[in-house]
Amino acid sequence: AQSVTQLDSQVPVFEEAPVELRCNYSSSVSVYLFWYVQYPNQGLQLLLKYLSGSTLVESINGFEAEFNKSQTSFHLRKPSVHISDTAEYFCAVSPMDSNYQLIWGAGTKLIIKP
Amino acid sequence: NAGVTQTPKFRVLKTGQSMTLLCAQDMNHEYMYWYRQDPGMGLRLIHYSVGEGTTAKGEVPDGYNVSRLKKQNFLLGLESAAPSQTSVYFCASTLAGGYHNEQFFGPGTRLTVL
Repeated sequence: AQSVTQLDSQVPVFEEAPVELRCNYSSSVSVYLFWYVQYPNQGLQLLLKYLSGSTLVESINGFEAEFNKSQTSFHLRKPSVHISDTAEYFCAVSPMDSNYQLIWGAGTKLIIKP
Repeated sequence: NAGVTQTPKFRVLKTGQSMTLLCAQDMNHEYMYWYRQDPGMGLRLIHYSVGEGTTAKGEVPDGYNVSRLKKQNFLLGLESAAPSQTSVYFCASTLAGGYHNEQFFGPGTRLTVL
């Protein structure tokens, strides 16, 4: 069975400071990896995804994530956060032998302190 | 292009009452999903559909029923609501086999069962 662990339920950080949100997964088969973001009182939207190729993927708003197969991790990073990044971030994996399923982490709330 | 819409946005039920949540998408997506989101637990799949007229159980299907009579609509029913079904419900859709395609989410329905 697959599982996704987001080690931190909340991460407080000062504005303009760097941040890393951690995601580790467990799977007996290869997976695709995703980060979704949920702004307050909204649905989820895709932030970035890793399907194949370069292990470093980037989003349009400055986030990046690196797939590390040996450590089964897909940590999300941003070098300088803004107040508008306040949201909950969800890591998800999709097993390559499943064409419908996403396995979700519990989410990490990013709290930006002014 | 409205994307994925959900009605209602909020609902309060008494234990034992029934209700139907409606999800509609105008993107001609094949796959549709119903999730529930509870604090600290991420998203859990209730039911999903891989096409018009087909449905299947997800991770937490008990107490819920679904129907997909039209490709664009996916209904979630609660026949006899229980306080344990208090949650935020999200509908999502994707174009084809979900692992390589983004899931698009609706804004959610906040349900309280007293």
